[in-house]
Amino acid sequence: DARVTQTPRHKVTEMGQEVTMRCQPILGHNTVFWYRQTMMQGLELLAYFRNRAPLDDSGMPKDRFSAEMPDATLATLKIQPSEPRDSAVYFCASGFSGGNNEQFFGPGTRLTVL
Amino acid sequence: LAKTTQPISMDSYEGQEVNITCSHNNIATNDYITWYQQFPSQGPRFIIQGYKTKVTNEVASLFIPADRKSSTLSLPRVSLSDTAVYYCLVGEWGFKTIFGAGTRLFVKA
Repeated sequence: DARVTQTPRHKVTEMGQEVTMRCQPILGHNTVFWYRQTMMQGLELLAYFRNRAPLDDSGMPKDRFSAEMPDATLATLKIQPSEPRDSAVYFCASGFSGGNNEQFFGPGTRLTVL
Repeated sequence: LAKTTQPISMDSYEGQEVNITCSHNNIATNDYITWYQQFPSQGPRFIIQGYKTKVTNEVASLFIPADRKSSTLSLPRVSLSDTAVYYCLVGEWGFKTIFGAGTRLFVKA
C-alpha cells in the first residue's frame, strides 16, 4: 500500500530555530505539493513541484521558507528562522500528472513554535 | 482559478443520504471537479472526480449539470464515520489547487 510519508510527525521548537520537514512522495509520482493548515486560514498551498522543478511557490513566505526536491524520493520544506505564527500542520501530497486530479496526502507534520 | 462556494456545515442522521452542493460559476472548459474528504488529524483524501453528467464510485456519486456551474456530492446512507470536512475543488490537473473552507458534515446517531 503506497503512501506518502512525512517526518517528523510532531515538532516543537523555539522561535528563531530552523525547522526542516521531510516528505517521501509515492514512488512514480512526479508532482509534489506542500500545504499548510491552520484553523484560521484552512488549507493553503505553499508550493508545488513537477519532476523536481518548482512550478509555483507563490504561497510561500520567501524570506523564511524554502522548498526543495534533492531527488525524486525526497522533498523538504525549511523554515529559518521560525516564528510562532508558523505553528500549523504541514501536509505534503503527491500525484501523477496526466492522470486524474488525485493528490495523495501524507499524515502531516504538526509544528509548534514557542 | 474558479472560486467555489459550499455550505459551511451540514447535519444529518445515520442512514440518510447526504447531498453537498458546490457552486463554481466561473468554471473553465478544461476544469475538472474534484471532491476530497478530511478527518481530524489526517490529510485530505480523494473521494471522486468528474467533468460532466454523473460519476459514481463505491463511496459516492457526483452530479454535474450541463452548464457545469455547480456540482453535488451525494453520500448514500451515511454513518457516523462519515463525519468529516468535504472540499470541492475546481481546476486543471497539475495546476495550482485552492482548497476552500469546505463543508463540515456532522452525522448523528
